[in-house]
Amino acid sequence: NAGVTQTPKFRVLKTGQSMTLLCAQDMNHEYMYWYRQDPGMGLRLIHYSVGEGTTAKGEVPDGYNVSRLKKQNFLLGLESAAPSQTSVYFCASSYELRAGGHTDTQYFGPGTRLTVL
Amino acid sequence: AQTVTQSQPEMSVQEAETVTLSCTYDTSESNYYLFWYKQPPSRQMILVIRQEAYKQQNATENRFSVNFQKAAKSFSLKISDSQLGDTAMYFCATGGGSNYKLTFGKGTLLTVNP
Repeated sequence: NAGVTQTPKFRVLKTGQSMTLLCAQDMNHEYMYWYRQDPGMGLRLIHYSVGEGTTAKGEVPDGYNVSRLKKQNFLLGLESAAPSQTSVYFCASSYELRAGGHTDTQYFGPGTRLTVL
Repeated sequence: AQTVTQSQPEMSVQEAETVTLSCTYDTSESNYYLFWYKQPPSRQMILVIRQEAYKQQNATENRFSVNFQKAAKSFSLKISDSQLGDTAMYFCATGGGSNYKLTFGKGTLLTVNP
């Protein structure tokens, strides 16, 4: 099993450019998440999804959009990149313990280092 | 709302010794989980240990164990017989209940010295 994979691993953008980060998981997890990690800030949740076709805002959603068209994939888009979006981005997934939303351990991808000049 | 506080930004320990990393949390959930994740220089986030809040027994995984004090909302990680490969950033996190999300602390950078 590959687990959670992220594409690309590194990217450099110029201010105003757009890009999409792809996250894929092969564990049949219901829930998927996008985090950003900045020095001294820990991990902050950008957006998440509790199932195919659903998305919700996290702690720091501004400037990002997401889509979950297939259960195994979760895309994070930057429409107009800004230097403040320079960060390491992590995707994670978890299974649903039972109906009602209990979630458990999150499994993380290897991260994408994004630099916006 | 959930909050997680790790009061030790950095710690160091000698190889083969024992070290304890502190974590306090706050949550309004009645049924929640607590986690310690490790992030080595490779950047990969790796689950170290997991605790279900309704279980009184402290979780253990080989050299890693926790001291879970529910009333005090404390969840510390003890690493015994520290190894050079334990050098990493350690994150405490909580989640579960009606909350789909995990909330992370800001991390403790642990360095194991030879």
